[in-house]
Amino acid sequence: KAGVTQTPRYLIKTRGQQVTLSCSPISGHRSVSWYQQTPGQGLQFLFEYFSETQRNKGNFPGRFSGRQFSNSRSEMNVSTLELGDSALYLCASSIRSGTQPQHFGDGTRLSIL
Amino acid sequence: SQELEQSPQSLIVQEGKNLTINCTSSKTLYGLYWYKQKYGEGLIFLMMLQKGGEEKSHEKITAKLDEKKQQSSLHITASQPSHAGIYLCGADILTQGGSEKLVFGKGTKLTVNP
Repeated sequence: KAGVTQTPRYLIKTRGQQVTLSCSPISGHRSVSWYQQTPGQGLQFLFEYFSETQRNKGNFPGRFSGRQFSNSRSEMNVSTLELGDSALYLCASSIRSGTQPQHFGDGTRLSIL
Repeated sequence: SQELEQSPQSLIVQEGKNLTINCTSSKTLYGLYWYKQKYGEGLIFLMMLQKGGEEKSHEKITAKLDEKKQQSSLHITASQPSHAGIYLCGADILTQGGSEKLVFGKGTKLTVNP
């Protein structure tokens, strides 16, 4: 059974640009959550999608947005990139919202120059 | 403030030694999860604890959730270099909106020297 797949693995952008990250959950999993991981703040929850609806949202500015498609694949978009957005972005899937454990992808490492 | 506090932040042990990592919350934990992360990679699920006093083991790793459900410990017996990595605890908390979200501690970096 394939795991959670995140693309791309690495990305370099400059300030002011925007970026879209992709996450394909485990087959049969309908909940997808996104996290930002930095050395200073650790792993922080961004948002969760279930059945194409945002179920929960963390304390991040509106520049961070996401969506989920009918096949449960999810995308995360960050607009007007700032230096502080440099981080490892992790996606996790679970069978349904609120169920555990969540299964994580290997993440997308985003570097802002 | 951090909702989950992990200690120690980092740990260096000699191969074969036992070690313990702690995860403490100021609130009651309804679900406590332990994950392991290799640098720059995703999290690997280790164990889930839900009941006060619950204890689970997998190979040489044992996790416990205390009776009051506010602290968990992860114990590794006879550590090996393959145990090296970052260990994170995660817990379900209720948001103001009434839904649940998973929050994490900042992690404990474990180095095992051969």
